[in-house]
Amino acid sequence: GAVVSQHPSRVICKSGTSVKIECRSLDFQATTMFWYRQFPKQSLMLMATSNEGSKATYEQGVEKDKFLINHASLTLSTLTVTSAHPEDSSFYICSARDRNSGNTIYFGEGSWLTVV
Amino acid sequence: QKEVEQNSGPLSVPEGAIASLNCTYSDRGSQSFFWYRQYSGKSPELIMSIYSNGDKEDGRFTAQLNKASQYVSLLIRDSQPSDSATYLCAVNGWNNQFYFGTGTSLTVIP
Repeated sequence: GAVVSQHPSRVICKSGTSVKIECRSLDFQATTMFWYRQFPKQSLMLMATSNEGSKATYEQGVEKDKFLINHASLTLSTLTVTSAHPEDSSFYICSARDRNSGNTIYFGEGSWLTVV
Repeated sequence: QKEVEQNSGPLSVPEGAIASLNCTYSDRGSQSFFWYRQYSGKSPELIMSIYSNGDKEDGRFTAQLNKASQYVSLLIRDSQPSDSATYLCAVNGWNNQFYFGTGTSLTVIP
C-alpha cells in the first residue's frame, strides 16, 4: 500500500514553545490530508482537513491559531502546535487521501508530543 | 445519528475462532468502505477495502458489504492473539467526506 511518512515520531518540548510535525506522502500525490489527535484509550479525533494550496478546514472546537496547518505541496502537510501547553500532549496522526486508489486514506506513523 | 456506527466492545474471542466485527453507516450514497486496524499506541493501518456488494476475501480476513442494509462487516478467521487491536470502520461518503467509526476493541484469548 501507499506510504505516508510522519516526522518526528516522538517530540518533547517546553511549555510555551512551538513544535512542527511533518506529514509526507511518499509515493502518491495527496491533494487532501487530514490531521487527528488521539488521547490514550480514546477514539481518533479529526482536527482539520488540509487541502493543497488552500486554507485548512478546522473542526469545531479546534483553535486554528494554535494548530497551524500548511499544505504547500501535493506531498507535504505540516502541523505546528504553537505556544504548547501540557494539555496539548497527545498522539497526533496525519493521513493522506490517494485519489488513484479509490480515495483510500493512508495513515502516517503518528507523532507523540509531550509538553513539559 | 452518527455517520458510522460500531459497537465499541470489547469483543473477546478464543484463539482459533471467528471474530465478527460490524458497522452500519447512514449515507446511502457512500461508495467506498474500509477497515483499519489500530494497535495500542500505534496509528491505524489499512486492512481491507470494499466497493461492491458481497464478500471480499484476503487471507484470514473477509469484508462483507450490504448497501441495501447499509451494513459492512469484517470477519477474521482463525483469530490469533496478534489480532487483538481496535478495528475502525471507515466510509467514503457521496460528498467525498471520510467518516470513521469509533472502533471496536477485539481481544483474542490464547
